[in-house]
Amino acid sequence: QKEVEQNSGPLSVPEGAIASLNCTYSDRGSQSFFWYRQYSGKSPELIMFIYSNGDKEDGRFTAQLNKASQYVSLLIRDSQPSDSATYLCAVYSGAGSYQLTFGKGTKLSVIP
Amino acid sequence: KAGVTQTPRYLIKTRGQQVTLSCSPISGHRSVSWYQQTPGQGLQFLFEYFSETQRNKGNFPGRFSGRQFSNSRSEMNVSTLELGDSALYLCASSVAGGPPKNIQYFGAGTRLSVL
Repeated sequence: QKEVEQNSGPLSVPEGAIASLNCTYSDRGSQSFFWYRQYSGKSPELIMFIYSNGDKEDGRFTAQLNKASQYVSLLIRDSQPSDSATYLCAVYSGAGSYQLTFGKGTKLSVIP
Repeated sequence: KAGVTQTPRYLIKTRGQQVTLSCSPISGHRSVSWYQQTPGQGLQFLFEYFSETQRNKGNFPGRFSGRQFSNSRSEMNVSTLELGDSALYLCASSVAGGPPKNIQYFGAGTRLSVL
């Protein structure tokens, strides 16, 4: 059973701080990794994807991938109250699998 | 460019009935995946279709089935509904599906309530 694990939270950070969200995965053959944001009552929307070891930055968001340790993280700099949402980590497993496996999500609350 | 369209948005059914949900992918996308989302289990994969063929299936009973048409539109069907089938059903489309770079874009979902 290929698994994706996230701390369910809630994670509370003050406005302007850095929020750090973590995700571990069990399948060493996993190839690509996605972070989605889901507001309450809405559908998931893509924040970032990463498939090479290291960091990938997009505005206030940085995704970090460490395949040796099988974890991927998302940093949100200068957190805003509008960032309050559930963040879902998703992983494509190895070749031949078209299934995107999701973690259960981390609920982030940014306190003004 | 229009996004992923799911219909209907809300459904109320009773136990034992069956239901069909529809998904129209983004134009040019040929892969459609279906997910069930519940508060306890999170987003769980149901199945994925590409060019009218099911390529992957999740761990759901045979009451859950789907199909894809030649225009890439997809339907999923749940027969003999149970109370536990109450959930948000999400459809996602991508250009071709699968790793490494196929991004899935989600529709707004169909909220199914089984009474």
